[in-house]
Amino acid sequence: EIVLTQSPGTLSVSPGERATLSCRASQSVSSGYLAWYQQKEGQAPRLLIYASYNRATGIPGRFSGSGSGTDFTLTIRRLEPEDLAFYYCHQYSSSPGTFGQGTKVEI
Amino acid sequence: EVQLVESGGGLVQPGRSQRLSCEASGFTFDDYAMHWVRQRPGKGLEWVAGISWNSAGVDYADFVKGRFTISRDNAKKSLYLQMNRLRAEDTALYFCTKDIVTTLGFGYFDLWGRGTLVTVSS
Repeated sequence: EIVLTQSPGTLSVSPGERATLSCRASQSVSSGYLAWYQQKEGQAPRLLIYASYNRATGIPGRFSGSGSGTDFTLTIRRLEPEDLAFYYCHQYSSSPGTFGQGTKVEI
Repeated sequence: EVQLVESGGGLVQPGRSQRLSCEASGFTFDDYAMHWVRQRPGKGLEWVAGISWNSAGVDYADFVKGRFTISRDNAKKSLYLQMNRLRAEDTALYFCTKDIVTTLGFGYFDLWGRGTLVTVSS
């Protein structure tokens, strides 16, 4: 099972600043099969990024993904107050698919 | 409207059973694999079980193998999770999720329900 470790646990950012979230895998995530989800308080998770860097439908351009192998990054440019949420990475390159423990973004 | 709506959660005693349901609408249900993902109180996301479009393939997390059974009824556009021998540590919000492919493996989740809460306690 691939273990995903996200850092930092909590990220405090001011509106308009950039937020950089990290997801490190215990072994290589083949084909870059890594997704990112956003979960706001009391809501279901929402798909942001798939296959490392592809934005899902309707996701603003300030969200971007990058990385390969074992190191992946979610970047939120020009953070907005509505971006307050937990963010989870998810590898789907091997079974069972696994999630990181999450990063909380505080505004 | 494209959505997933879970139901069936509630308070259940340890060792007893509970059946969760998920009703899909707004997309061709039998074109996709489906999954259950849970979130224990104050914790992150955990994949629980998945089922292929035609039920030929099913898979479970180790912590539910032998206790939970995933199934689907494509005619009713519904997904189910039969949970037996429940434990306190199964207390969680259970989400129904839609895969982007028909079979298990190599798929991410592009649609989530709002979840149904299962509380296992005496």
